[in-house]
Amino acid sequence: DTAVSQTPKYLVTQMGNDKSIKCEQNLGHDTMYWYKQDSKKFLKIMFSYNNKELIINETVPNRFSPKSPDKAHLNLHINSLELGDSAVYFCASSQGIPGQTSSGNTIYFGEGSWLTVV
Amino acid sequence: AQKVTQAQTEISVVEKEDVTLDCVYETRDTTYYLFWYKQPPSGELVFLIRRNSFDEQNEISGRYSWNFQKSTSSFNFTITASQVVDSAVYFCALRGRNTGFQKLVFGTGTRLLVSP
Repeated sequence: DTAVSQTPKYLVTQMGNDKSIKCEQNLGHDTMYWYKQDSKKFLKIMFSYNNKELIINETVPNRFSPKSPDKAHLNLHINSLELGDSAVYFCASSQGIPGQTSSGNTIYFGEGSWLTVV
Repeated sequence: AQKVTQAQTEISVVEKEDVTLDCVYETRDTTYYLFWYKQPPSGELVFLIRRNSFDEQNEISGRYSWNFQKSTSSFNFTITASQVVDSAVYFCALRGRNTGFQKLVFGTGTRLLVSP
C-alpha cells in the first residue's frame, strides 16, 4: 500500500499551459506538504497545510496554488507554466500540530512528480 | 536561522568499503529533530532515521549507523561494508522549534557511488 501517492509521475508540457499534480496520503496524517527539488537536487519546502489550513507559503509565485479538499489530499495547480518550473515536485505528510514538539515527527514523501516544461 | 551542511558532494567507494557521510547543522533551537533520507536513482525519498536533540545515543540498524554529537553539531552517517544498492543521494535534514517545526530544512545532499 502506497502511503503518499502522487500523480502523474511524469509530466511534459509546453510553456504557458496550466497543469495539476494530485497527492493523497493514507497514513491518517493531518499535515501535508509540497517540496520542490531543483536540477541540482536541492530540496525546499513550498507549502504546508494542516487540516486543510495553509501553514507555510514559502514565497512561491502565485502561479502555484495548492488546494486541500480534505486532510488526506493536497493538490498542486500551476498556471502559466514557465521553463524554470521544470523540477521534481514531492508531496509529503506527517502527523503533528503546528508549533508543538509533536510536529518533529517524521515527514514521509511520495515518489515525486517529474515536471518538464518545454 | 537553520542550516544543514553536507560538505561532501560526491563520494566514490568500492563495494565492501566503509563510508561516512558528514552532516553539520546550525540552529538556535534547543529542541530539534534530525533526519536522514535516501534518494536512490529511481528518485523517491526514503526515510532512514529520525533523532531528537535530547537523545545523543548512537544508533545502529544493520549496516547503517549514525553518530549524533551535539558538541560539534554533527549527525554523521556510516555505511559499513557498502553495497552497490547503497548508491544514492543521501540527504541530512533538520526540523526545529524556530520554524514551528513545520519546515524540514535539507542539506544539499551527498551522492554516494558504490562500484562493484
